[in-house]
Amino acid sequence: GQNIDQPTEMTATEGAIVQINCTYQTSGFNGLFWYQQHAGEAPTFLSYNVLDGLEEKGRFSSFLSRSKGYSYLLLKELQMKDSASYLCAVMDSNYQLIWGAGTKLIIKP
Amino acid sequence: GAVVSQHPSWVICKSGTSVKIECRSLDFQATTMFWYRQFPKQSLMLMATSNEGSKATYEQGVEKDKFLINHASLTLSTLTVTSAHPEDSSFYICSATDPGTGTLAGELGEQYFGPGTRLTVT
Repeated sequence: GQNIDQPTEMTATEGAIVQINCTYQTSGFNGLFWYQQHAGEAPTFLSYNVLDGLEEKGRFSSFLSRSKGYSYLLLKELQMKDSASYLCAVMDSNYQLIWGAGTKLIIKP
Repeated sequence: GAVVSQHPSWVICKSGTSVKIECRSLDFQATTMFWYRQFPKQSLMLMATSNEGSKATYEQGVEKDKFLINHASLTLSTLTVTSAHPEDSSFYICSATDPGTGTLAGELGEQYFGPGTRLTVT
């Protein structure tokens, strides 16, 4: 079966760095996506990785290792507004997005 | 750019009635729209994929006669929850993809979500 694993919840301090991991097992691979979802709101797209390596976009970076079935989202200089759920999603060989359950990130002052 | 609106943002209805939710792409033409349902503290559950001018493709376990989807134009898709029951209470979210922005995978994966509709059935 297809499976996406990410931690349920993480806590970090304002100004610090946090890494949210995601491992996956899917039928084929056409890319990995990270989304941010604030409570009660719809998700917003953060990043897309299809090749191995690190993609940096401002304070957020996303890393992919296809051989290991592994990705992480790195958030630097954490701000209170970064408190949200972060969803990892993988596109399989049928171009279907398989969604993880999300990681709730709590930022403390 | 790539804004998706959804209406209504919340609705309360009585058991047995039907509710229609609209999803519009405001500044682009969306050949593909998706309908999701999300229960509290759970991830997104894809209900169906809607392609303009054709029948929607429903995920396993989703009743197509209960959740009617119409994608009549490139900017509008509607979801009608027929004969709603309390267990249908959920957060319904639509998303759309903006074609021509890159690879097929990138286009289908970079989805623009509407703000969601919170449905409560009493």
